[in-house]
This record gives sequence, C-alpha cells and structure tokens, in this order.
Amino acid sequence: GNSVTQMEGPVTLSEEAFLTINCTYTATGYPSLFWYVQYPGEGLQLLLKATKADDKGSNKGFEATYRKETTSFHLEKGSVQVSDSAVYFCALRPYGQNFVFGPGTRLSVLP
Amino acid sequence: NAGVTQTPKFQVLKTGQSMTLQCAQDMNHNSMYWYRQDPGMGLRLIYYSASEGTTDKGEVPNGYNVSRLNKREFSLRLESAAPSQTSVYFCASRGETSGSSYNEQFFGPGTRLTVL
Repeated sequence: GNSVTQMEGPVTLSEEAFLTINCTYTATGYPSLFWYVQYPGEGLQLLLKATKADDKGSNKGFEATYRKETTSFHLEKGSVQVSDSAVYFCALRPYGQNFVFGPGTRLSVLP
Repeated sequence: NAGVTQTPKFQVLKTGQSMTLQCAQDMNHNSMYWYRQDPGMGLRLIYYSASEGTTDKGEVPNGYNVSRLNKREFSLRLESAAPSQTSVYFCASRGETSGSSYNEQFFGPGTRLTVL
C-alpha cells in the first residue's frame, strides 16, 4: 500500500538554524509529492510540491527534491525564523488515487 | 474568493447526539474530501466525493455519513456521536485543471469537535 513516514518531533531549533525534516514514502508507480504546513489554529496549506523524479519544489526559502532512488522528499531550509513554527506534513498522491499524509512534524523555533 | 469554508469552528456534543458539519468551496472543484486529524496520526480520510452526486468511503468511514448537496457543498454527519469521534475535522477540495494549483488540495480552517 501507499504510506508516508516522517519524523514526528517535536523539533526545536534556534532562529537562523538549518532545518531538515526527513520524509520517505512507499507508493505504487510515481506519485506526486507534497509538503503542507499547518499554523496554529488553521487548516493545512500547500508549501511546495514536486511531480516527477529529480524535481525540486521550493517556496518561502523551503525546498525539497523528489528522490526516486531513495524514495525520499526531505524538507530543508537554510535559516529558520520564529514565524516558521508550525506542523509540517509530507504527503503523496499516486496518479488517480487519494492523498496519503504522514503524521506531521511539529517545529518550534526559539528567538 | 473565500476558498473552503467550514461551520461550525467548535462544537461540544454529548454521547449519542447527532450533528452535521458543513463545508463549501467556491473554486468550482469537482473533488471534495473529509478528513479527521488526531495527534500522531496525521490526516485520515473519512469520505470523499469525486463529483456531484457521488461519494465514496475513505480509510475511516464508520460512524459517519456524507452528502454532496451540489458542486459547492459537502456535509459530514455524525448520527450518534461517540467519544472516539473527538477530533479536528477538515474539509478539502482539489484543483483539477492545469495550472499552478493542479493537484493541490485546499483545506478549510477545521472544526474542533469534542464528544463527552
């Protein structure tokens, strides 16, 4: 079946630190991959996406590369800010099927 | 555009009571979804609707029913609420036409439900 594994955290970093949140997946075929972010009290919103192998998605300083050989889509940011504190969800969607979400990783950035 | 709207934002029920969660989208999307979010479990799909007039079960449909009233609206009903249904419920719709929002899910703000 289809599944997403990601570190649950919480992850606590100081402002301007480097961020990596690991995400690996199991899926049939070649799914589209996504990172969603959820700020406190809000719904999920798309952060970035990649639709095929070696694609790099990027937005707001975050980036992730679709690695077919390692079935991974790790999220990175070079310098986090307090405003990046949120829960981050890795997700996949195989063609013609429904989304599958990981458990989410809570990030806290301290000033 | 309001995107995806949900009502109510908060609700407290007693065991056995019923209620309907409302969802509407103004993006002309065909596909709509209901998820529940529980700590450590991410989002789990309850029901979805690929188009007006069709609904299908997701991963955790027991205890829920849905209605796709028209293209805009997709409601979720709890007929006899149980404490295990305490959760945060999210409605979403999916972009299907080509462009930057293709394949993206758009989420509502959520309903926090507590069943005592």
